[in-house]
Amino acid sequence: AQSVTQLGSHVSVSEGALVLLRCNYSSSVPPYLFWYVQYPNQGLQLLLKYTSAATLVKGINGFEAEFKKSETSFHLTKPSAHMSDAAEYFCAVRGPNDMRFGAGTRLTVKP
Amino acid sequence: DTAVSQTPKYLVTQMGNDKSIKCEQNLGHDTMYWYKQDSKKFLKIMFSYNNKELIINETVPNRFSPKSPDKAHLNLHINSLELGDSAVYFCASSQYEGTEAFFGQGTRLTVV
Repeated sequence: AQSVTQLGSHVSVSEGALVLLRCNYSSSVPPYLFWYVQYPNQGLQLLLKYTSAATLVKGINGFEAEFKKSETSFHLTKPSAHMSDAAEYFCAVRGPNDMRFGAGTRLTVKP
Repeated sequence: DTAVSQTPKYLVTQMGNDKSIKCEQNLGHDTMYWYKQDSKKFLKIMFSYNNKELIINETVPNRFSPKSPDKAHLNLHINSLELGDSAVYFCASSQYEGTEAFFGQGTRLTVV
């Protein structure tokens, strides 16, 4: 079965610093991987997706993620954090009939 | 136009009651889902429907019964509500394998 593991339930960065949120996947077939963001009291919004076209995927709000098969990773990065980036971030892997999520990483941005 | 819409957004009810949450998507997707998000933000899939047919039922108590009258709607009925059912319930839809899921805004259910 496919699954993802997010390393670090809480990440805190200063405004302007690099954001790095970690996700590792487990899949017996080439995975379809996603990053979603959830702002307080809202639903999940897609940040970016990997569907085997390019290993470096660019998303909305300046986020990007790199698929590394050798490391079974799909880490999310942003060069410079903004206060508005504070939210919960979820890595997900798509299966035939569902989408499985990691436990989430709460990003805090300090002024 | 909201792509995936759920009603109600908030639901407060007493233990033992029966309640329903409705979900509609106007994206033309074939697959719809219900997820439960607990207080620690963990998202767990409950049900998956494809073209009105139940595909996944993830060891959810029988008190939870999804119903899909057509492929644009997936409702969730909950009988005999318990305190532990308090959570945020998300409806989502997607097209085919490999594509992203689109989520509703969630229904915050509080059982008192």
